[in-house]
Amino acid sequence: DAGVIQSPRHEVTEMGQEVTLRCKPISGHDYLFWYRQTMMRGLELLIYFNNNVPIDDSGMPEDRFSAKMPNASFSTLKIQPSEPRDSAVYFCASSLLGFGQGRGNEQFFGPGTRLTVL
Amino acid sequence: AQSVTQPDIHITVSEGASLELRCNYSYGATPYLFWYVQSPGQGLQLLLKYFSGDTLVQGIKGFEAEFKRSQSSFNLRKPSVHWSDAAEYFCAVGSQGNLIFGKGTKLSVKP
Repeated sequence: DAGVIQSPRHEVTEMGQEVTLRCKPISGHDYLFWYRQTMMRGLELLIYFNNNVPIDDSGMPEDRFSAKMPNASFSTLKIQPSEPRDSAVYFCASSLLGFGQGRGNEQFFGPGTRLTVL
Repeated sequence: AQSVTQPDIHITVSEGASLELRCNYSYGATPYLFWYVQSPGQGLQLLLKYFSGDTLVQGIKGFEAEFKRSQSSFNLRKPSVHWSDAAEYFCAVGSQGNLIFGKGTKLSVKP
């Protein structure tokens, strides 16, 4: 398996533009997570899905952020309009199971997308 | 509320020396505990995990961690550090459906 795939790896955009980050989870994994990593705040969970359904989006910072999972093999995180404070590394992760369901619930992370908003 | 504390932001050790990275958690029930490593410009890689059973768990790359319920700790150890171990290390606790991460400890290795 190729692991979790994210694209693009780097994105530079101007303030006010729409940004779309993409993720392909590991095949067969039922859970998909979006994280944001910054120096100031560390790793923050933005949203996670179970079987393509959003379960907890309480970490999504503002209405400018939205995430979708139209099928089991693809998810997007969209920022519209983008702002300089959105600059961060965004990680996607997937896991076979959730917690309390056994030993298959460790999360596998993608390489991340480094977003710079000018 | 669940939380994870990694008290050391940055640690420097000499190559060949032993290593211990500290992690304390706050969680009401039996925790699911993890250590991840992140090399510069890379994603996070799982080193080891604890769910139940033996409180001393072995991971990849020669790392181990010990769960101590009385101290709410899950410290990561390695007997002899290699230069390639220089990275950032994250402790995490499983809560509901997701992970709560500590702020990380950056490890530097001196020749």
